Amino acid sequence: GAGVSQSPSNKVTEKGKDVELRCDPISGHTALYWYRQSLGQGLEFLIYFQGNSAPDKSGLPSDRFSAERTGGSVSTLTIQRTQQEDSAVYLCASSLDPGVVSDEQFFGPGTRLTVL
Amino acid sequence: SQKIEQNSEALNIQEGKTATLTCNYTNYSPAYLQWYRQDPGRGPVFLLLIRENEKEKRKERLKVTFDTTLKQSLFHITASQPADSATYLCAPDTGRRALTFGSGTRLQVQP
Repeated sequence: GAGVSQSPSNKVTEKGKDVELRCDPISGHTALYWYRQSLGQGLEFLIYFQGNSAPDKSGLPSDRFSAERTGGSVSTLTIQRTQQEDSAVYLCASSLDPGVVSDEQFFGPGTRLTVL
Repeated sequence: SQKIEQNSEALNIQEGKTATLTCNYTNYSPAYLQWYRQDPGRGPVFLLLIRENEKEKRKERLKVTFDTTLKQSLFHITASQPADSATYLCAPDTGRRALTFGSGTRLQVQP
């Protein structure tokens, strides 16, 4: 079946502009995660959605970052007033049942964001 | 605070040899640990999960060990192939659903 998809694959923007990144999780997966991977840095957790529960936003680096998940499926990560330090690959993942704590996560290919 | 360490230096080995990658963690006791593989320009792919009550887990040419006394997991690839070249990430459980990854070790298998 189809895996996790993300769009766009690449995004170049100017400092100060807003950007929206999209994630389509695997159908039927109830949990959705956003991570960020900067050059020379590891994968950094940003936000986690599980069903209708309030999202875990503990990883968002500033209030310029926000995300929503509509209808328990597609998610959009929005970065307002982008800064150069926001340049990174933004990865989305989904998992079937996070009630199983060891639930494997399936990652999308990522969106490479470059802020000029 | 919780800390996860993987050797940041690339590991270069000859085809056919066994690659061994290390993941160390400090200041906590994870209930399980996951290993992922990441190729350039792609998202990580799940490989194996080992629980705290398991000493060893195998999957084809892959073997993972989990030493809760040493606070260390070793990831082995036997009979390595150039196609095994990638970055390998460990993710010990930190008590939350989102994963916390080590920085990864890049493996390069020379033909």
